[in-house]
Amino acid sequence: GQNIDQPTEMTATEGAIVQINCTYQTSGFNGLFWYQQHAGEAPTFLSYNVLDGLEEKGRFSSFLSRSKGYSYLLLKELQMKDSASYLCAVRVGGTNAGKSTFGDGTTLTVKP
Amino acid sequence: GAVVSQHPSRVICKSGTSVKIECRSLDFQATTMFWYRQFPKQSLMLMATSNEGSKATYEQGVEKDKFLINHASLTLSTLTVTSAHPEDSSFYICSARGRTGFNEKLFFGSGTQLSVL
Repeated sequence: GQNIDQPTEMTATEGAIVQINCTYQTSGFNGLFWYQQHAGEAPTFLSYNVLDGLEEKGRFSSFLSRSKGYSYLLLKELQMKDSASYLCAVRVGGTNAGKSTFGDGTTLTVKP
Repeated sequence: GAVVSQHPSRVICKSGTSVKIECRSLDFQATTMFWYRQFPKQSLMLMATSNEGSKATYEQGVEKDKFLINHASLTLSTLTVTSAHPEDSSFYICSARGRTGFNEKLFFGSGTQLSVL
């Protein structure tokens, strides 16, 4: 199975930068995803990493180190609307190809 | 981007009744659909994986006779909660994965909030 750990809650100030970490232990790693989920809504895709390194997309960046089983999501120039839960998900391949397991999510609160 | 439509968005039913939730991929063929359940303030828990034309694969601890999944076509999968009970009250979300070119991410439906009285 997969063990995925991420902090439960984080607080940051509007305009600042925040880094949300995710560590995982899995067999058959085949990609790591970050999703944003506002309360009562379905998750929306933010980023995808399958190779080591940093992927940048506007205010959001995601980093992956497969050897360390570690990823982070970096949010810059925080806005109030960024207050949400951020889910780290690991996809596996092999016989379970395409199946993703989600972490418990990190609830980010952005304060003025 | 690809769109996944999920209906209904909210259901309130009496204990003992059955509820059907539909998940449709609107502009792509979903070879695989995943059904998740999410309790308040918890993460998504995968219930089952359904592939078009074959039986669903259920995760450990999920009763296949209670949560019936049908993936009869490349654009439609249904989840039926049979004889629902209050403990089945939860947020149910489907996601779809298409053929080549869509392997990088899941497309989620908007979710169904089920409340069993």
